[in-house]
Amino acid sequence: SQTIHQWPATLVQPVGSPLSLECTVEGTSNPNLYWYRQAAGRGLQLLFYSVGIGQISSEVPQNLSASRPQDRQFILSSKKLLLSDSGFYLCAWSPGVIWGYTFGSGTRLTVV
Amino acid sequence: KQEVTQIPAALSVPEGENLVLNCSFTDSAIYNLQWFRQDPGKGLTSLLLIQSSQREQTSGRLNASLDKSSGRSTLYIAASQPGDSATYLCAVASGGGADGLTFGKGTHLIIQP
Repeated sequence: SQTIHQWPATLVQPVGSPLSLECTVEGTSNPNLYWYRQAAGRGLQLLFYSVGIGQISSEVPQNLSASRPQDRQFILSSKKLLLSDSGFYLCAWSPGVIWGYTFGSGTRLTVV
Repeated sequence: KQEVTQIPAALSVPEGENLVLNCSFTDSAIYNLQWFRQDPGKGLTSLLLIQSSQREQTSGRLNASLDKSSGRSTLYIAASQPGDSATYLCAVASGGGADGLTFGKGTHLIIQP
């Protein structure tokens, strides 16, 4: 069966520090991968998606970037965190739109 | 641009009641609609997935319906239990297949023991 792993679960980082969040999927190949952010009172916002290695699409301009170095690995990064980057970050995968989406357990990021 | 609205934003009912959560979307050209549950501080758990060609899906005490032409979906929870307390999110897949989901802001549900 397929599983999705996301880490770390919580992270407290100072303003201006770098960020790296990792997501991996097991039990499937060539998944579509997604990064979402959930800010308090604002719902879930799609940040990045990827349909293959090295293929990244950004939905909103921001201080973050994403990379897909391997087929089942998706990384969310920042060179210098801002206070506004605080939030709950969720990774998701889908084998294709008709099959629905599966989400990871999330990372709570607090920038101080 | 697809927009998803969920009503009510919050709901508190006594245990045992049947209840309905509502979701509406502005663009009826969808591939499917998915209902999720989110517990505080946790990720999303998929409850039901309804394809655009389907009218409803059932899982245990949950039943979700879809009326694509009117842009509406309902999630029906029968015989509610305190363990059903959570935030319920509705999301639609539309546009390009790799574009992800558009989410509503959720309904925060509290079931009183």
